[in-house]
Amino acid sequence: GESVGLHLPTLSVQEGDNSIINCAYSNSASDYFIWYKQESGKGPQFIIDIRSNMDKRQGQRVTVLLNKTVKHLSLQIAATQPGDSAVYFCADSLWIDKLIFGTGTRLQVFP
Amino acid sequence: DAEITQSPRHKITETGRQVTLACHQTWNHNNMFWYRQDLGHGLRLIHYSYGVQDTNKGEVSDGYSVSRSNTEDLPLTLESAASSQTSVYFCASSPTGQGNTEAFFGQGTRLTVV
Repeated sequence: GESVGLHLPTLSVQEGDNSIINCAYSNSASDYFIWYKQESGKGPQFIIDIRSNMDKRQGQRVTVLLNKTVKHLSLQIAATQPGDSAVYFCADSLWIDKLIFGTGTRLQVFP
Repeated sequence: DAEITQSPRHKITETGRQVTLACHQTWNHNNMFWYRQDLGHGLRLIHYSYGVQDTNKGEVSDGYSVSRSNTEDLPLTLESAASSQTSVYFCASSPTGQGNTEAFFGQGTRLTVV
């Protein structure tokens, strides 16, 4: 069945460094991928998304890379800030608009 | 501003009781979803709806039900609450036909079954 997973449960980075959070997905038919950020006590918030016809998409300080050959997705955060500390989830979906989430990666930013 | 709200934010109930969690969105989105979040499992889909009178089971639907009588609301009912249903519940909505499936999430309901 469909599944999306994350390689690292916790990532610690120094403030100002770049962060890379990785994700593997299993359904080669998935055509939409999305990253969410969840701060403590809050619901997930949209960060960035990408469709399967793209390899890279950039937002403000964030970049998502999609490698369909190895079914791998990554989120890059430039110049990581304390406010970036949160749990990050990747999710994928097929055309039916239903998102399947991974287990999440906790990003910790230290000074 | 349009939003999605869940109520209550916190709930404690006893085993065997029926519990209903409310979800209300003002975006006029057709799609609505319920997820539960447990440590080590991330967000797991319970039920979802693509429109009024439409409901579908997700990956962890046993012991839960939903109804969609209007566009704005998708209440989640626990028929007979069990301790295994202690969790944080998130409701989400998303539009259709707009070229993306970004889902907007509520703030969550923390449910404790004792």
